[in-house]
Amino acid sequence: EDKVVQSPLSLVVHEGDTVTLNCSYEVTNFRSLLWYKQEKKAPTFLFMLTSSGIEKKSGRLSSILDKKELFSILNITATQTGDSAVYLCAMGYNNNDMRFGAGTRLTVKP
Amino acid sequence: SAVISQKPSRDICQRGTSLTIQCQVDSQVTMMFWYRQQPGQSLTLIATANQGSEATYESGFVIDKFPISRPNLTFSTLTVSNMSPEDSSIYLCSVEDQGSKNIQYFGAGTRLSVL
Repeated sequence: EDKVVQSPLSLVVHEGDTVTLNCSYEVTNFRSLLWYKQEKKAPTFLFMLTSSGIEKKSGRLSSILDKKELFSILNITATQTGDSAVYLCAMGYNNNDMRFGAGTRLTVKP
Repeated sequence: SAVISQKPSRDICQRGTSLTIQCQVDSQVTMMFWYRQQPGQSLTLIATANQGSEATYESGFVIDKFPISRPNLTFSTLTVSNMSPEDSSIYLCSVEDQGSKNIQYFGAGTRLSVL
């Protein structure tokens, strides 16, 4: 069965900490793995990964995909209170199917 | 990326009534998607809407409950019919990025509460 599993489900850290969010998946016809940040209602796009071992980076956020072990990680360094959100991992497969994980709720305390 | 306008942003409705949610895109897109996010849950795809054809519904969702219109390449509506408290959710529309069809961009969402 196609599925996306994220861990941890929730995480509380203090400003300045570094966090690693995990996403594992099982799918046939894999196309891509995506990360989104959801603060209120609308998920905002962060990264799309299609190749193993190539790090995508944007400011303090970075992500990498391992297609052999079927997982991805999202790293956030020097966390800030504005990073508090739910981080969603999504798997693109087949022609245009997409399946979302349950999300990791990150809380960054001052 | 496309700019997506979704409305209403929130509504409180009575049991048994219906609500239509609108999604407007600033560019022509082939596919539009409608998702539901129940409290504390992740996104679940309701249906995919292509212009000029019937929407394709996912398992567990039916047209009578969630009729969808797609009259042109920039607009779609989702109706939540005969609502019950279990329909209280966030409803989101999304579109594929025309450059990279792997990426979906989302509207601001509609928070629906059914009393």
